[in-house]
Amino acid sequence: DTAVSQTPKYLVTQMGNDKSIKCEQNLGHDTMYWYKQDSKKFLKIMFSYNNKELIINETVPNRFSPKSPDKAHLNLHINSLELGDSAVYFCASSPYTDTQYFGPGTRLTVL
Amino acid sequence: GEDVEQSLFLSVREGDSSVINCTYTDSSSTYLYWYKQEPGAGLQLLTYIFSNMDMKQDQRLTVLLNKKDKHLSLRIADTQTGDSAIYFCAGRRAGNNRKLIWGLGTSLAVNP
Repeated sequence: DTAVSQTPKYLVTQMGNDKSIKCEQNLGHDTMYWYKQDSKKFLKIMFSYNNKELIINETVPNRFSPKSPDKAHLNLHINSLELGDSAVYFCASSPYTDTQYFGPGTRLTVL
Repeated sequence: GEDVEQSLFLSVREGDSSVINCTYTDSSSTYLYWYKQEPGAGLQLLTYIFSNMDMKQDQRLTVLLNKKDKHLSLRIADTQTGDSAIYFCAGRRAGNNRKLIWGLGTSLAVNP
C-alpha cells in the first residue's frame, strides 16, 4: 500500500564504509528524487531522474551515485562514508504535475 | 536568484489560528506548495496553489498568495496539538527542470 517506500529506515555504519539506500514508488510517476535533510531540518535536493534519465544533479560529492534501474526505482549508493554524511535521506516521486510525494526517510548515522 | 524564506518558529495556543508566512524571490514561480513534516516522518503535501490564484481554501487550511509582494501564507484554523510539525514552503518555476526551491521550514508548536 505504501506509495513511496525506502529501505532501510535506519542505517548505522562506520566511516569509510560503502552503503546503499533503496527507493521504490508504486504511483506510476515518471520522476524520482533524492533529498538530504540535515540536523537543522534544511532540505537539499541531490538528484532527480525522469524516466531513468538524470535531470538534476546538484553539487554533491562524487562519492554519491544514484542509479535508476527502472522508473519505479531510484537507489542511492554512497562510497567512503564520512561523518558529515549523517543525515536523513528522503526519496520522492512526482507525476507530470510535479507535486512531489515523499518516502518516510532513511536516517543515516556515520560513526 | 532563487530563494524562499520562512520564519523558523511559531507558537500558538490550541484552538487559535496559526499563520505561517513565506516569501519568495522568483517572480516566475508558477506553483507554490505547503508541506508538513511531523517528527520522525517524511514530508506530506498539505496543499498547493497556482500562481494565477489569490486564495485557496481546504477545510481548516487557507492559502493566500500576494504575487505583488511575493508573499505566501498558510492559515490553520482551530489549531490542534496534532498540527505541531514543521511546515515547508516550496516554489517551482515553469519548465522541465522540476526542481523545487525550499524554505527552511517553520516549526509550529501548539500549546494546550
